[in-house]
Amino acid sequence: DTGVSQDPRHKITKRGQNVTFRCDPISEHNRLYWYRQTLGQGPEFLTYFQNEAQLEKSRLLSDRFSAERPKGSFSTLEIQRTEQGDSAMYLCASSSEYTNTGELFFGEGSRLTVL
Amino acid sequence: AQSVTQLDSQVPVFEEAPVELRCNYSSSVSVYLFWYVQYPNQGLQLLLKYLSGSTLVKGINGFEAEFNKSQTSFHLRKPSVHISDTAEYFCAVDRGSTLGRLYFGRGTQLTVWP
Repeated sequence: DTGVSQDPRHKITKRGQNVTFRCDPISEHNRLYWYRQTLGQGPEFLTYFQNEAQLEKSRLLSDRFSAERPKGSFSTLEIQRTEQGDSAMYLCASSSEYTNTGELFFGEGSRLTVL
Repeated sequence: AQSVTQLDSQVPVFEEAPVELRCNYSSSVSVYLFWYVQYPNQGLQLLLKYLSGSTLVKGINGFEAEFNKSQTSFHLRKPSVHISDTAEYFCAVDRGSTLGRLYFGRGTQLTVWP
């Protein structure tokens, strides 16, 4: 049973650099979510895809952030011109609209450190 | 607007003792309620959920929670904890308009001592 996988698990970068994270959801899931978790806080919603369509974006997702899911399978989250405030754990989750149980299946996250 | 308050950031207990992790939410609409657990270096895992029906819901690992609409609470309980229950626990609400858009509390670190 393959769950949600995220890559890389850890990324250290210098301020101003671009970074990209990848998420592979559970194969039969058509919904995919990105969340961000900073130290001492619970996860915060960033954006959500149903198939390849990006249906909702949080105000937290500034212009420097872009997420894609071109073929309705894996997704990428790119952060341009990183800032120290972007340091966080980026979580990906998936679900199926057909089971509609409300349960999200989370990956282990990608931890970003911006120096 | 949604907010989820987990009243205790840390809860230390001894093994085999009962535990209650508190969660209150504010919402002007009906919500779905969840508890997730995060073990060290692992992703969040669903413990239990309330969507409708019986207000007492049972989850994995012997946990249960009770939805109290009048008090807008969804406290998590376990009658006897194990060392393996040591983890961070997150309460979350979903307004249902975008299923999967969860509003999380800050989390409660449960530490079980031998």
